[in-house]
Amino acid sequence: GAVVSQHPSRVICKSGTSVKIECRSLDFQATTMFWYRQFPKKSLMLMATSNEGSKATYEQGVEKDKFLINHASLTLSTLTVTSAHPEDSSFYICSATIRGLGNQPQHFGDGTRLSIL
Amino acid sequence: ILNVEQSPQSLHVQEGDSTNFTCSFPSSNFYALHWYRWETAKSPEALFVMTLNGDEKKKGRISATLNTKEGYSYLYIKGSQPEDSATYLCAFKGLGYDMRFGAGTRLTVKP
Repeated sequence: GAVVSQHPSRVICKSGTSVKIECRSLDFQATTMFWYRQFPKKSLMLMATSNEGSKATYEQGVEKDKFLINHASLTLSTLTVTSAHPEDSSFYICSATIRGLGNQPQHFGDGTRLSIL
Repeated sequence: ILNVEQSPQSLHVQEGDSTNFTCSFPSSNFYALHWYRWETAKSPEALFVMTLNGDEKKKGRISATLNTKEGYSYLYIKGSQPEDSATYLCAFKGLGYDMRFGAGTRLTVKP
């Protein structure tokens, strides 16, 4: 089946550090990848939709200068949390679909737990 | 604002019990409804993608129904087993809208 790898699984770093999270589709080409954030006891909240070779589409309220998304190839999207602060501590998870259509299941990575001290 | 509501928030059942929970979503501009199972320390796994009103899908002991006119979907688990313990997420995809997830139903099946 379709496999998505997300790395790292956990990051603990100091305030002001920039953190990069990678999301790779291992056995299929993902023209569209999605980045989510989960707050404690809340649902997954879509942050942005990442399309290969073009700029990401950010959801309202998500700072594009804070959360840099790059989707340079059909198998890799990256999310960089720039100058992270404690309020950025959260669980971040990516997903990818084949063809990026809403009637296709999303394949998720294992998520990244980010803790900013 | 798109609201996707799941109920109950959590559920504890005994092994062998059958159970069901609900996902409510907007009844207009429907495109697709997804169900995922999310086990602790694993990534969410797709169970069903439903697109037609009246759809009923089955995967082993798990089945789901869809009513797009009234905006709800039920997920049923027959003869629950401890390995069914997980959070079950539904996600609504509307025409012109990105995917919206519910908060999930956390199921615990006690042996």
